[in-house]
Amino acid sequence: DSGVTQTPKHLITATGQRVTLRCSPRSGDLSVYWYQQSLDQGLQFLIHYYNGEERAKGNILERFSAQQFPDLHSELNLSSLELGDSALYFCASSVGTGIGNTIYFGEGSWLTVV
Amino acid sequence: AQTVTQSQPEMSVQEAETVTLSCTYDTSESNYYLFWYKQPPSRQMILVIRQEAYKQQNATENRFSVNFQKAAKSFSLKISDSQLGDTAMYFCAFMKTQTGANNLFFGTGTRLTVIP
Repeated sequence: DSGVTQTPKHLITATGQRVTLRCSPRSGDLSVYWYQQSLDQGLQFLIHYYNGEERAKGNILERFSAQQFPDLHSELNLSSLELGDSALYFCASSVGTGIGNTIYFGEGSWLTVV
Repeated sequence: AQTVTQSQPEMSVQEAETVTLSCTYDTSESNYYLFWYKQPPSRQMILVIRQEAYKQQNATENRFSVNFQKAAKSFSLKISDSQLGDTAMYFCAFMKTQTGANNLFFGTGTRLTVIP
């Protein structure tokens, strides 16, 4: 158990809908990351938050947004869902932003868009 | 841009034998970290081992060790005394730092099967 908690573990929704994925980082970690793992794109970095502030953006679509709240939990919002958004979404956390901070992953949220 | 290449999509090894997974990367950075993550059938990403680029000594964690060749930009993972529980996808990852942020760049993975 990495200490990173993600909910829900599985989600099935229809095209055009909106979903919210939730993440609680490890105790004491201020950084939260979101990654997408799909069959054709592999593991892709989406976004990094540190202590409530966005620090880096990767291949995150405009239909997707994220935030980190004062209690440090984070949410990833996915809207206008398409079939291609079906993937495993990982949340991860680390202590800070220093290089070498080990990033610990949650168990992921499986999203299936039908 | 940073790229991480894992040229072996699939590998297999007999239980108790040793196997080496390859990884190469491309970067112009001088300070960075390298990681190997394991993803078993449960799909959870589990850290196996990490290496700091400025350290010449190869990292070791129990049965797992790396061969880090900085000049060649190579970072291979050796698994000794392979066990059935080692069956998983293995991802090599590169971390660089930007101002106030860091990120992991992953390779495409190597699927390792340990054969009884």
